Amino acid sequence: AQSVTQLDSHVSVSEGTPVLLRCNYSSSYSPSLFWYVQHPNKGLQLLLKYTSAATLVKGINGFEAEFKKSETSFHLTKPSAHMSDAAEYFCVVSYTGTASKLTFGTGTRLQVTL
Amino acid sequence: NAGVMQNPRHLVRRRGQEARLRCSPMKGHSHVYWYRQLPEEGLKFMVYLQKENIIDESGMPKERFSAEFPKEGPSILRIQQVVRGDSAAYFCASSPQRGGQETQYFGPGTRLLVL
Repeated sequence: AQSVTQLDSHVSVSEGTPVLLRCNYSSSYSPSLFWYVQHPNKGLQLLLKYTSAATLVKGINGFEAEFKKSETSFHLTKPSAHMSDAAEYFCVVSYTGTASKLTFGTGTRLQVTL
Repeated sequence: NAGVMQNPRHLVRRRGQEARLRCSPMKGHSHVYWYRQLPEEGLKFMVYLQKENIIDESGMPKERFSAEFPKEGPSILRIQQVVRGDSAAYFCASSPQRGGQETQYFGPGTRLLVL
């Protein structure tokens, strides 16, 4: 079965410092990988997605992620955190042939301090 | 282009009542997905529908839950005889095509509270 593991349930960074949110996925043929962000009591917004094109994917709001097949990882990074980045981040996987079902990680809560 | 619409945004029900959650996909999207988010957890897939067809309901509880996406009108997620454990946020998503690479666009969710 497909799965994703988000290695940190909480991450705290100071404003202006780099952000790293870690994600590993279960190995399978042709995964598609996504990062979604959820602000408190809001819906989910797509940050970026990987679909077997370039391994370094750039998303919105300065976020990017690198697909590393050898490590089965898809970590999310941002060079400089902003207070507005504080939210819950979900790493998500889907596979060809699973009728588009998305499998979510358990989420990482990002806190940004002054 | 309006996004995915869900209503109501908040719903309070007493145990034993029925809950009806509605989802209108983005214009041009014919694929609808329902997910449930329990407190402090990620989203869990429930059901995938196309117009008038249930494609995958592997995540739906076997009893009390049903979903439809009629030819006309929104998709409906129905929960009969609600229990406290049904309290959660229910999210609907839509996509224009079928396939694992397609982006699913999420609505704002319906937060169900069962008293």
